[in-house]
Amino acid sequence: GDSVTQMEGPVTLSEEAFLTINCTYTATGYPSLFWYVQYPGEGLQLLLKATKADDKGSNKGFEATYRKETTSFHLEKGSVQVSDSAVYFCALTATSGTYKYIFGTGTRLKVLA
Amino acid sequence: DTAVSQTPKYLVTQMGNDKSIKCEQNLGHDTMYWYKQDSKKFLKIMFSYNNKELIINETVPNRFSPKSPDKAHLNLHINSLELGDSAVYFCASSQAGYPAGPYNEQFFGPGTRLTVL
Repeated sequence: GDSVTQMEGPVTLSEEAFLTINCTYTATGYPSLFWYVQYPGEGLQLLLKATKADDKGSNKGFEATYRKETTSFHLEKGSVQVSDSAVYFCALTATSGTYKYIFGTGTRLKVLA
Repeated sequence: DTAVSQTPKYLVTQMGNDKSIKCEQNLGHDTMYWYKQDSKKFLKIMFSYNNKELIINETVPNRFSPKSPDKAHLNLHINSLELGDSAVYFCASSQAGYPAGPYNEQFFGPGTRLTVL
């Protein structure tokens, strides 16, 4: 079945460091891919998305490129801030006629001042 | 205006009790979901309704029963609460659930933290 695998956290970085959070997926067809972010005490909110191969999603300095050949959608940011501390979820929706989102297990990011 | 709202935000109760969590969305979406998030932040889908019709019913104890009186509301009733039910429960909605695709951004509520003592 469809699945999403994320790197385990926590990831701890100093402010202004470069961030990569790895995400790979298994899916039939051509899924859409998403990154959601959950700040402490809040619900998840969409960070960025990509709907087809080679698309790049970007928002708030974060980027991720849909790589069909490596079935990956890694999240990157060039310079993290303390305010980026949160849990990040990679997710996909299948195109095979399902209502489901498949979420990864989440990666906690902690940015130190 | 809050897009997806849940009540209550916190719920503390004794084992064996019955409780309900309410969810409302004012986005005009057709599809609503309930998720359970455990202490390790793992997010598991429980149920989904599309236009008041149950379309996802994951392997969840039948003590959990969703009810959708209209497409803007999806409530979750839990009977005979157990310690293992302690978690954060999130409601979410999306514009179109079927076929799930690129435009189906999910909008999440703030969560209900359930603690069973």
